[in-house]
Amino acid sequence: SAVISQKPSRDICQRGTSLTIQCQVDSQVTMMFWYRQQPGQSLTLIATANQGSEATYESGFVIDKFPISRPNLTFSTLTVSNMSPEDSSIYLCSVEDLHPRTDTQYFGPGTRLTVL
Amino acid sequence: AQSVSQHNHHVILSEAASLELGCNYSYGGTVNLFWYVQYPGQHLQLLLKYFSGDPLVKGIKGFEAEFIKSKFSFNLRKPSVQWSDTAEYFCAVSNTDKLIFGTGTRLQVFP
Repeated sequence: SAVISQKPSRDICQRGTSLTIQCQVDSQVTMMFWYRQQPGQSLTLIATANQGSEATYESGFVIDKFPISRPNLTFSTLTVSNMSPEDSSIYLCSVEDLHPRTDTQYFGPGTRLTVL
Repeated sequence: AQSVSQHNHHVILSEAASLELGCNYSYGGTVNLFWYVQYPGQHLQLLLKYFSGDPLVKGIKGFEAEFIKSKFSFNLRKPSVQWSDTAEYFCAVSNTDKLIFGTGTRLQVFP
């Protein structure tokens, strides 16, 4: 399976600021996903990011709040904009390859975000 | 909409005890089923998965899960747990590329 890294691993931010989280994969992958894991809760899909197309957002998540870039097949960023304490979560990226198709997602280590 | 239920939120066992964690999903079509594990301080790892074929799936570290279509269930089992199995366990379902996760079960194993 692919090796996935995320930067930063954790951060403490002030209300109203923005943070960009990076996800790097050691091989080219077709599909990348961004999830949020709020304290004590399960993982919720924010958006799907495929190279060469706009990210597809899930219900309850919008591009203005969570802009995503996918400039190539090994890298993606998620920005959490105009943060509030409610954005305090672990943000995870995952990848799934379509060539060959595995229908299986592998996860990065996550970015623990605390908003004061 | 699809949903995944894990009824055991917190399970405490002694070493060598048997484990069964429940997972039920709601979706009428064909699904792929997964169990992921998150050990303390580590990232989410795939434990096992079911796509088709034998409904009894064997995963890593002695874990297995059984898909029972009539019950919409995919319970995780291990005959004898170890202290190192202490972790959070997530059941997940997909029928496209989207994974829907359950709320997770925290397992604590005491020596």
